[in-house]
Amino acid sequence: EAQVTQNPRYLITVTGKKLTVTCSQNMNHEYMSWYRQDPGLGLRQIYYSMNVEVTDKGDVPEGYKVSRKEKRNFPLILESPSPNQTSLYFCASSLTGTGIGNTIYFGEGSWLTVV
Amino acid sequence: AQSVSQHNHHVILSEAASLELGCNYSYGGTVNLFWYVQYPGQHLQLLLKYFSGDPLVKGIKGFEAEFIKSKFSFNLRKPSVQWSDTAEYFCAVLNSGGGADGLTFGKGTHLIIQP
Repeated sequence: EAQVTQNPRYLITVTGKKLTVTCSQNMNHEYMSWYRQDPGLGLRQIYYSMNVEVTDKGDVPEGYKVSRKEKRNFPLILESPSPNQTSLYFCASSLTGTGIGNTIYFGEGSWLTVV
Repeated sequence: AQSVSQHNHHVILSEAASLELGCNYSYGGTVNLFWYVQYPGQHLQLLLKYFSGDPLVKGIKGFEAEFIKSKFSFNLRKPSVQWSDTAEYFCAVLNSGGGADGLTFGKGTHLIIQP
């Protein structure tokens, strides 16, 4: 089954404690991306990757890092989480990017709370 | 930068009522248009998409949307809603520019269907 898998789905952590949210897709997609969803703000893009070893900042990259060492994986790293990073995070992927003709597939979301 | 506006942040309807959720975008070039639905506690699922051709697009669960280029609109409709349609609905636009700015989401419309 084609899917985007995120882990953990739910996490409560303390300020400053590094954490990683993993994302994996089994569709051989080149493009992967991370979004955060906050009430009243919709989805905002954090980082995206057009292919292996190619990553770029989205609209709200501050406080986050990513890596793309393998095509199927795109982990989101919070080096020193802060309470304003409490949010619902979605990983997404598509075949070749966000150009015309692509459909974006989403993971199930990761609820992160930073206390 | 392009933008997507969803005019109704909260909509409450009774079962069997007709639904129309508004979506307007600002990009003037070639676009692909999407409606995603997010049921409580779940990830985003694609309802329907418009790439080209017939501007009236039919999606899953009885939803449809009409692309009106002159109005920069892509409104979502359903003739008779059900309690199970309670969810958050997001309009999204891909423009031909690609890259990080290529995919923009509206802020979402929270739809509540009362039995």
